[in-house]
Amino acid sequence: DQQVKQNSPSLSVQEGRISILNCDYTNSMFDYFLWYKKYPAEGPTFLISISSIKDKNEDGRFTVFLNKSAKHLSLHIVPSQPGDSAVYFCAASGLRGGATNKLIFGTGTLLAVQP
Amino acid sequence: NAGVTQTPKFQVLKTGQSMTLQCAQDMNHEYMSWYRQDPGMGLRLIHYSVGAGITDQGEVPNGYNVSRSTTEDFPLRLLSAAPSQTSVYFCASSRGTGTGDGDTQYFGPGTRLTVL
Repeated sequence: DQQVKQNSPSLSVQEGRISILNCDYTNSMFDYFLWYKKYPAEGPTFLISISSIKDKNEDGRFTVFLNKSAKHLSLHIVPSQPGDSAVYFCAASGLRGGATNKLIFGTGTLLAVQP
Repeated sequence: NAGVTQTPKFQVLKTGQSMTLQCAQDMNHEYMSWYRQDPGMGLRLIHYSVGAGITDQGEVPNGYNVSRSTTEDFPLRLLSAAPSQTSVYFCASSRGTGTGDGDTQYFGPGTRLTVL
């Protein structure tokens, strides 16, 4: 059972426009969410995160929105650049600390930003 | 800082062979973990360690062994490789569990393993 879902395997956007990547989760105990970016032949790199006490977190061109009632989060990239072309993974965990606190990843969305 | 390093980058095994995937980090992180990435499955946790001498199972531990004798190294052993273990393997490290503000997981470049 996939607890973190990214229903769009791919997304194509024109350079300069907004990219919106979506993620849904089923476990109401998740209270910390992260986005990772992955280029081919490289490991994932951390992009941005949000805890459940917030509904928005911004870092430069990247903003993550969290809708707890809908169990939905989204990553907005504005403006999109060709270098943003990568696979984006959503991940979730429970913020309880300790050895049992683990990240659950979604299946990823391939973003292609067309020049 | 080299960050998280993994060797080898590519490996082809025959069914039944054994091998060890190496992972090392130079950031003095306590927490290390192994993931596998399969098409349509995202990254799934295999094993993790919260410090030297302490390891535990993740989501998909069967067929894999780990040990953590030093803070820096966290090798992953395949005792008898099977075609179902064909995957890309990522090692990650973090100061804590990598699930809190200011504490993120750093991933290595991955090992692409094919089992024939």
